[in-house]
Amino acid sequence: DTGVSQNPRHKITKRGQNVTFRCDPISEHNRLYWYRQTLGQGPEFLTYFQNEAQLEKSRLLSDRFSAERPKGSFSTLEIQRTEQGDSAMYLCASSSPQGGNQPQHFGDGTRLSIL
Amino acid sequence: KNEVEQSPQNLTAQEGEFITINCSYSVGISALHWLQQHPGGGIVSLFMLSSGKKKHGRLIATINIQEKHSSLHITASHPRDSAVYICAVSKNSGGSNYKLTFGKGTLLTVNP
Repeated sequence: DTGVSQNPRHKITKRGQNVTFRCDPISEHNRLYWYRQTLGQGPEFLTYFQNEAQLEKSRLLSDRFSAERPKGSFSTLEIQRTEQGDSAMYLCASSSPQGGNQPQHFGDGTRLSIL
Repeated sequence: KNEVEQSPQNLTAQEGEFITINCSYSVGISALHWLQQHPGGGIVSLFMLSSGKKKHGRLIATINIQEKHSSLHITASHPRDSAVYICAVSKNSGGSNYKLTFGKGTLLTVNP
């Protein structure tokens, strides 16, 4: 079990640039979640994948945000035309397909800073 | 009002003290989760429970479904327990989606 891996760990970019983050879940986990956490707050749900299908998107995910999981393994989260308010920690989590509700395993996150 | 409320927001303790963090929620849930987050971001799942009580080492989590309340206890606290402890609830949104709704977290500092 190598855990959930997220890259990069840190991203600093200028306002208006596009950024892409990657999440590699635990290999046998077919459920994948993206969350966003701003300073001093708990994380908030962004989107959910079961295998390659994106089954739910939060209203927080504006049209500048897009997430994919093309082969049901790794996932990417892209933000276009970044804004100051996008500065946050972006967290990925995965969970086992077995049974119903399962614990979620989190990556270390990607911290995005917009200059 | 947030669906998940934690108290206290900040907690400072001396090494060896017994610690309690409380969590209340206002919605129907599938399970309640306690998570630990260290500086730098990584989140670790401590407990997932839907009834009763669970224990792991010096950590104990309890839940009262009728009162929609959970507590996380740490016995014989140690400076390495210093972290943010987050309560979250999962609701079934349809199919296999058990997305989490989080509290704001409790920052615990244990002094030697």
